[in-house]
Parts: sequence; C-alpha cells; structure tokens
Amino acid sequence: DVKVTQSSRYLVKRTGEKVFLECVQDMDHENMFWYRQDPGLGLRLIYFSYDVKMKEKGDIPEGYSVSREKKERFSLILESASTNQTSMYLCASIHRVFRNEQFFGPGTRLTVL
Amino acid sequence: AQKVTQAQTEISVVEKEDVTLDCVYETRDTTYYLFWYKQPPSGELVFLIRRNSFDEQNEISGRYSWNFQKSTSSFNFTITASQVVDSAVYFCALSISGTYKYIFGTGTRLKVLA
Repeated sequence: DVKVTQSSRYLVKRTGEKVFLECVQDMDHENMFWYRQDPGLGLRLIYFSYDVKMKEKGDIPEGYSVSREKKERFSLILESASTNQTSMYLCASIHRVFRNEQFFGPGTRLTVL
Repeated sequence: AQKVTQAQTEISVVEKEDVTLDCVYETRDTTYYLFWYKQPPSGELVFLIRRNSFDEQNEISGRYSWNFQKSTSSFNFTITASQVVDSAVYFCALSISGTYKYIFGTGTRLKVLA
C-alpha cells in the first residue's frame, strides 16, 4: 500500500517560531510537492522538488523554504511563522514518468498564534 | 496562463439524487491532463480519474461518470444515486504535458443528506 506520510496532523506554533513540516513517501517517486489549502482558494503550490537537492518555487513561495536531502523526504520550513501562514499544508508525490496521479499525504493543519 | 474554475462552491442534495459538479479549464496548450480528486473529511485527497486532452471519450466507473468536452473546455463529474459517503470536497485539476505543475480549482463541497 503506497503511502505519503506527514509528521503531524495538527500543529500549533507561536508567531516568530521556526516550523518544520516533514513529508515522507515510500514509492521511490522523484517529484514531490508542498501545497497550501485555504477555504475558497483551493490548493496553491508552494514549492516542488524534482530530485534530491533540486527545488523550484511554486506560486506562493514567500515565507517558506524547503529541503530535499533524501529522495523519500521533503521538508517545508517556515523560517519565522506568521499568523497568515495558518493553513492546511498538503504534501504530494508523483512518479516522474508514470504521472497518472499525485499521491497526497493526510495534511498538517497548522495554527500560528 | 492556465486556470481551473469550479463555480459551484457548495452543493447539497438528498440521498439518491444525481448531482453534477462542473469544471471549466483554460489553457492554450494542446497536450494536457485533467484530474478529479475527492477530499473526504479525513483530509487526504483521493485520486478519482485522469484524462488526457486527446481522449474525449466519456468514462463511467460505477456511480461516477465524467464528461470531457474540449469544445467548451469542460470536464464535468456526475454522481448518480448519491450516497452520504459521497459527502466531500471535490477538486478538479489541470496539468500541462512537460511541466510538473498542477493547477487546482477552488473545490466544490458536496453535502449528501440522508
């Protein structure tokens, strides 16, 4: 059973804290994505990675950075969390060649106080 | 620029009714893929279907069916004889061949009432 897992389902942080959201996939996928989901806005791409140590900015990268040191792991970093980063964060992965579907993790609901 | 529009924010139906979720997309590219995903209350998006731009054949899978019409740039999703378990947020998405980017619509929340 293929899996994308995210380190936390719920997270509460304070303004200014450094926040790490971890995502791990066990499908040996090259491509991994971080999305943010907000009501009325759908899913918006923050960053994606097409290989280890490779990354590209998505539509809303401001305030975020990412790390991909191993193929199976893709981390999203909020350097200094702000209240407007309160949101649902979704990780996804897909095979580079057989791009039938993105596999999504269960999401992390982050609240920044 | 590419865009996906799901004009229906929320739909409520009574169990056993049929319901159609609309999806309209915009792209100048000739090769692209369209997707539907379901997001139940648990939060994890579940893949339902992928269609490529050269395949306009409609598809049926059990109570689900999809109508792809390039002439109107639409990829609509119909649930026949809806059930309470169909209650979820449904997303339509577009991906252009040769890119890694997926453009999602804003989603339609479907509530099926018993």
